[in-house]
Amino acid sequence: EAQVTQNPRYLITVTGKKLTVTCSQNMNHEYMSWYRQDPGLGLRQIYYSMNVEVTDKGDVPEGYKVSRKEKRNFPLILESPSPNQTSLYFCASSSRGGNTEAFFGQGTRLTVV
Amino acid sequence: DAKTTQPTSMDCAEGRAANLPCNHSTISGNEYVYWYRQIHSQGPQYIIHGLKNNETNEMASLIITEDRKSSTLILPHATLRDTAVYYCIVRAGGANSKLTFGKGITLSVRP
Repeated sequence: EAQVTQNPRYLITVTGKKLTVTCSQNMNHEYMSWYRQDPGLGLRQIYYSMNVEVTDKGDVPEGYKVSRKEKRNFPLILESPSPNQTSLYFCASSSRGGNTEAFFGQGTRLTVV
Repeated sequence: DAKTTQPTSMDCAEGRAANLPCNHSTISGNEYVYWYRQIHSQGPQYIIHGLKNNETNEMASLIITEDRKSSTLILPHATLRDTAVYYCIVRAGGANSKLTFGKGITLSVRP
């Protein structure tokens, strides 16, 4: 079954404690991205990757890092989380181009206290 | 990417067709119209997309006007499980295949 898997689904952490949210897809997609969703602000892109070792900033990259060492994995790293990063996070993957369907993970609800 | 305008909310009766409108008057020739939906706080789910021709799949139909400035998503027989936020997105085929989500339209299907 084609899917994007995120872990963990829920996470509560303290300010400053580094964390990683993993994302894996099994569709051999070149393109992967991370979004965050906040009430009233909708979904906003954090980072994206067009292929292995190719990453770039989205609309709200501050405070986040990503890496793309393998095609299937695209982890989101928060080196020093702060309360304003409390949000619902989604990973997505697709083939490249504007005529392709994007698949989304089930989301990770992060709370930073 | 071109912006889209959708009503804030609408409702329909279970079993009836739900017609969700979207305006995208600044759409460019190479931009596609996409529809996604999000049920509660789950990950957005792809529904359908098109360039200029009408499209149909097992979930819905997409009707795009001839001038491409607006479109309508049709759920032919809405069920309670179709209650969700529906996003109309215009997406270019550029290097960053970004999906720019607006506020969407909240569809409530009533029994």
